[in-house]
Amino acid sequence: DAMVIQNPRYQVTQFGKPVTLSCSQTLNHNVMYWYQQKSSQAPKLLFHYYDKDFNNEADTPDNFQSRRPNTSFCFLDIRSPGLGDAAMYLCATSREGGGSGTGELFFGEGSRLTVL
Amino acid sequence: AQRVTQPEKLLSVFKGAPVELKCNYSYSGSPELFWYVQYSRQRLQLLLRHISRESIKGFTADLNKGETSFHLKKPFAQEEDSAMYYCALSRMNSGGYQKVTFGTGTKLQVIP
Repeated sequence: DAMVIQNPRYQVTQFGKPVTLSCSQTLNHNVMYWYQQKSSQAPKLLFHYYDKDFNNEADTPDNFQSRRPNTSFCFLDIRSPGLGDAAMYLCATSREGGGSGTGELFFGEGSRLTVL
Repeated sequence: AQRVTQPEKLLSVFKGAPVELKCNYSYSGSPELFWYVQYSRQRLQLLLRHISRESIKGFTADLNKGETSFHLKKPFAQEEDSAMYYCALSRMNSGGYQKVTFGTGTKLQVIP
């Protein structure tokens, strides 16, 4: 089945030790998103790629970076994780543009980050 | 700025009872509203969208622009409806991309 796959599902890191979370998709969608979700809070958009165009949300800390080497893969890099960065990180995709957009997001199962 | 409010963190109902999950939004333009659902140990997935005006798994939601609401309803709750429900608003931003804003979610617990 076409889907969105996130790795790892669980990541434990130490304060200040860089972390990379990955997301791959077989849907051939042109837009990929990274959301951060803390306990009992709404998923919060960090940034997204529309094809190769990177779009950062204004309030996303510089500590968070992203890479999209090709259509299928997108990475979330946290350069120096702090205790406040412990959260579930959700990758999502959508097909937009050319009149084909529906606004529907397709999510991965998430990567839960613990910072010690 | 767009905003989505789900006032209830937890809603408990008995099996067979009606369900209404509340969602209010604030947005100055024409919104597209969605309900997403997350069952235990599963990924977040689309339940329904207002433009389709469809019923999915017995759930319906009507967009009320006057009250800026998009409440999710089901006449008779089933145990398998127990899940986390998120209301979401999508709009086209200045860059031509869809931006989706989520509410904080309501956990629906159906009691047997």
